[in-house]
Amino acid sequence: GQQVMQIPQYQHVQEGEDFTTYCNSSTTLSNIQWYKQRPGGHPVFLIQLVKSGEVKKQKRLTFQFGEAKKNSSLHITATQTTDVGTYFCAGGSQGNLIFGKGTKLSVKP
Amino acid sequence: GAVVSQHPSWVICKSGTSVKIECRSLDFQATTMFWYRQFPKQSLMLMATSNEGSKATYEQGVEKDKFLINHASLTLSTLTVTSAHPEDSSFYICSASPYRAFGEKLFFGSGTQLSVL
Repeated sequence: GQQVMQIPQYQHVQEGEDFTTYCNSSTTLSNIQWYKQRPGGHPVFLIQLVKSGEVKKQKRLTFQFGEAKKNSSLHITATQTTDVGTYFCAGGSQGNLIFGKGTKLSVKP
Repeated sequence: GAVVSQHPSWVICKSGTSVKIECRSLDFQATTMFWYRQFPKQSLMLMATSNEGSKATYEQGVEKDKFLINHASLTLSTLTVTSAHPEDSSFYICSASPYRAFGEKLFFGSGTQLSVL
């Protein structure tokens, strides 16, 4: 069945370092969404990408959607302690939205 | 943004009892709501899609009789865990979207931590 693989599962960084999480789909996606879940909280929508090769930025966060619409990445520049949490991608295809397993980011001050 | 309210936030129950979890869209109507289960340090597992006025659509492997879903109005969906057992202990979370088009962003409830003794 359709799968969305997300790596890495965990990432520990020193504050100020960059961070990247990657998602790969087994099938072509119609769109991809990114969510952030703070510890003890619920997922909160960050962004949606729809177009092939699309790149969107939100302050220190850069989101990319691959040319083939099968992969995506989230890059955080100069991490801060407020960035801690689990970042999920969710790929949309054939009426389904499949979540990746998430990347848990911890930031050491 | 849109608000999805989920209640209760946590519940502890005895094995064999049933637990009802409510998911409400506070400022929009949702013909579709989604129910997920999340184990510690794991991703969101879609359990079922709740459809207003019709039967829910369950994902493969999810027992319909175990997890009863009712979506009686455009703002409320309920998930009832029937005859709960310790293995049902988990974090349950719902989501909904105010947008009609598929693929639009989801708004999540705050989740319900269920502990079955």
